[in-house]
Amino acid sequence: GAGVSQTPSNKVTEKGKYVELRCDPISGHTALYWYRQSLGQGPEFLIYFQGTGAADDSGLPNDRFFAVRPEGSVSTLKIQRTERGDSAVYLCASSFIPTGELFFGEGSRLTVL
Amino acid sequence: EDQVTQSPEALRLQEGESSSLNCSYTVSGLRGLFWYRQDPGKGPEFLFTLYSAGEEKEKERLKATLTKKESFLHITAPKPEDSATYLCAVQFSSNTGKLIFGQGTTLQVKP
Repeated sequence: GAGVSQTPSNKVTEKGKYVELRCDPISGHTALYWYRQSLGQGPEFLIYFQGTGAADDSGLPNDRFFAVRPEGSVSTLKIQRTERGDSAVYLCASSFIPTGELFFGEGSRLTVL
Repeated sequence: EDQVTQSPEALRLQEGESSSLNCSYTVSGLRGLFWYRQDPGKGPEFLFTLYSAGEEKEKERLKATLTKKESFLHITAPKPEDSATYLCAVQFSSNTGKLIFGQGTTLQVKP
């Protein structure tokens, strides 16, 4: 596609449920990033993939969060046992090389009731 | 701890009224400083990259500058369509691919 695609655009779930968020990066981009943005705040780094491997996962808040990118393209962010504090917009971005010039998707808004 | 702070948090301007947004940072080993624009309900959109003190970049009514401890985004004769949240982010030499964002400045330009 022309840009970074994220699905779903909105997800409402109950506390304790499992959630998957999907990101389809720009074709040919080897670097993929997940960020989380709370209301009124800047994006917060979660994880960075170079190809299939997680090159930096230092931003994942705890072991309930996990991300994969098995074929070096589409990535899935997985959140287990969701908590109300997980409510935020989850942004995915991609780039040709590891750089600060990122192309962001429109985000997946997660609401945990 | 590496930090990025933007000021002001919010700014209201009349159309044509020039102003500047500030981004200050405390880092060890700056690799690059980036400015993004974010419209409501959208992801951030890349504007500029600055790599070294003294560097300047321009695009239409926007000009970004960089010193050793801060960056400015100057907006000349703004129009209502410039209304958005402007985000500053830094990349550190020890963290390739990872950006630290400031909290943003929300700009409203009234006609």
